[in-house]
Amino acid sequence: GENVEQHPSTLSVQEGDSAVIKCTYSDSASNYFPWYKQELGKGPQLIIDIRSNVGEKKDQRIAVTLNKTAKHFSLHITETQPEDSAVYFCAASSYNTDKLIFGTGTRLQVFP
Amino acid sequence: DAGVIQSPRHEVTEMGQEVTLRCKPISGHDYLFWYRQTMMRGLELLIYFNNNVPIDDSGMPEDRFSAKMPNASFSTLKIQPSEPRDSAVYFCASSRTSGGWDEQFFGPGTRLTVL
Repeated sequence: GENVEQHPSTLSVQEGDSAVIKCTYSDSASNYFPWYKQELGKGPQLIIDIRSNVGEKKDQRIAVTLNKTAKHFSLHITETQPEDSAVYFCAASSYNTDKLIFGTGTRLQVFP
Repeated sequence: DAGVIQSPRHEVTEMGQEVTLRCKPISGHDYLFWYRQTMMRGLELLIYFNNNVPIDDSGMPEDRFSAKMPNASFSTLKIQPSEPRDSAVYFCASSRTSGGWDEQFFGPGTRLTVL
């Protein structure tokens, strides 16, 4: 089955700097890659997703890149702000399955 | 829409007691998922339903865990008897179409502590 690895487990950055979180997946049939943000005391919330027919997607300060050959995808946050502090999860799935396989999470801390 | 609703938000019980967690998905969503989150194991899928029918319960840890979805607007996750290792945050999520292709909306979670 699918396995998703996520690095780093913790990441501390200064406000205004960029943050990058990387994930690798094992199943070459995977073609949907969402990213979820979990704030303290809340459930995860989708912030951006990418499908296998594109290599990059951007939404304001966040972007996701996908390399299907290498089977890895990354989340990029530019101009980080204290409110970006949270746990971020990557996930993967294929079109013929109903469920997501989540990575282990990255705790991002943005210091003012 | 109020989003996914879970109750209770916090539950403290003693080992051996029965625990029932409740979830109301977003109206019109066909899929419902139950997850468990711990520091050690991260976010684990326990079971999911499509149109009220359980599809995959391979993540349910053991027979002490059971889940039902009697109608499109209500689901329960029951643990009987509970054990300290069941302590975790349990999330319910729903999606309009397949959760492997569509956004999953998570509830606020139930923090379960088994003493």
